[in-house]
Amino acid sequence: AQKVTQAQTEISVVEKEDVTLDCVYETRDTTYYLFWYKQPPSGELVFLIRRNSFDEQNEISGRYSWNFQKSTSSFNFTITASQVVDSAVYFCALRGMDTGRRALTFGSGTRLQVQP
Amino acid sequence: DAGVIQSPRHEVTEMGQEVTLRCKPISGHNSLFWYRQTMMRGLELLIYFNNNVPIDDSGMPEDRFSAKMPNASFSTLKIQPSEPRDSAVYFCASVSEGTYEQYFGPGTRLTVT
Repeated sequence: AQKVTQAQTEISVVEKEDVTLDCVYETRDTTYYLFWYKQPPSGELVFLIRRNSFDEQNEISGRYSWNFQKSTSSFNFTITASQVVDSAVYFCALRGMDTGRRALTFGSGTRLQVQP
Repeated sequence: DAGVIQSPRHEVTEMGQEVTLRCKPISGHNSLFWYRQTMMRGLELLIYFNNNVPIDDSGMPEDRFSAKMPNASFSTLKIQPSEPRDSAVYFCASVSEGTYEQYFGPGTRLTVT
């Protein structure tokens, strides 16, 4: 069975603060992919990043960075110098590859509020 | 590319009525997924298709729900009869194998009164 845990239900920060969203996963698959999606107030789900289980290099994209640590089964997401437009619900998701099941298992999401 | 297209964007219907949700995946994508999002259960998979064939429908709540994919560019999710507990946002997503990145449509917000 697969499971994704986002323990932080809601985070509130002031603009320009850095914020880290935590994601912990469980899987028995040896090969898997991890994802982050953003759901702004408008409701759509926006793909942010994909990372495979063999690539533990951290990734940076502008103000966004991701820290993948297989040893702790975590895939955390940091927003540097947060902006009001970052306010959204962020979902971490997992896709195991060993069984061929293509669907994503989502965490419960973290609601980020960035105050001006 | 236009992205994943879903219609309608909003649907309000009365209990007992039939509801049909539609999805057009991104051209060239060979897998299509239907998810449901509710406050209580979050995002959960209902069914997915690969090359138009249903692969996993274990998430379909009950016989009232059915899904079809008659061709590579169109899928429907039907609820008959609808019940108030079916109220949710229904997302369609497609993925091109090789990238494993699922792209979601804007969702259909269904309200059953």
